[in-house]
Amino acid sequence: AQTVTQSQPEMSVQEAETVTLSCTYDTSESNYYLFWYKQPPSRQMILVIRQEAYKQQNATENRFSVNFQKAAKSFSLKISDSQLGDTAMYFCAFMNLPATGANSKLTFGKGITLSVRP
Amino acid sequence: GAGVSQSPRYKVAKRGQDVALRCDPISGHVSLFWYQQALGQGPEFLTYFQNEAQLDKSGLPSDRFFAERPEGSVSTLKIQRTQQEDSAVYLCASSRVGGLGPQHFGDGTRLSIL
Repeated sequence: AQTVTQSQPEMSVQEAETVTLSCTYDTSESNYYLFWYKQPPSRQMILVIRQEAYKQQNATENRFSVNFQKAAKSFSLKISDSQLGDTAMYFCAFMNLPATGANSKLTFGKGITLSVRP
Repeated sequence: GAGVSQSPRYKVAKRGQDVALRCDPISGHVSLFWYQQALGQGPEFLTYFQNEAQLDKSGLPSDRFFAERPEGSVSTLKIQRTQQEDSAVYLCASSRVGGLGPQHFGDGTRLSIL
């Protein structure tokens, strides 16, 4: 079974600065995806960024980028130029890709509460 | 609609009552997932449908939980004889088949059992 660990329960960052959220995972699988999801108080889970395990290049989406270390099973999220709207709970998630290619469930970490200070 | 729609948004029930939670996925999305999110925790997988077929129900916590998707579109999660520990947010997500598309989530139903 896969596990996802987010050991920091909460973090705070000044607006316009950079913050890094940590995530580690454990799996024996070789073919998988990793995700960061954002959940504001409105509750809707919003996809922030996705990384395919077979890709060595780190994914980036505008102000969001990841540091994917496959050997260390580490997947951190860096948020640059933090904005007040980034205040939310952030979840790291793992998805195994079965050989059949069918979709598969997400395994989430416990999440981290990020507060952006004005 | 453009996104995943869940109803009701809030549900309060007395212990022992049966409840039904509805999920309307994005049009054309073959895969549908249900997750349970306890307060301050990450979502936990309950069950997965591909079209009308329930391919994985390993996360359902007891036989009081039942899910269906009879026509391969709208899904209903039913909880019978509710208990206080069933209080949580229930999230529904849908995606295209093939494992390549991300899961799109609804706003969830917050269930409170008194």
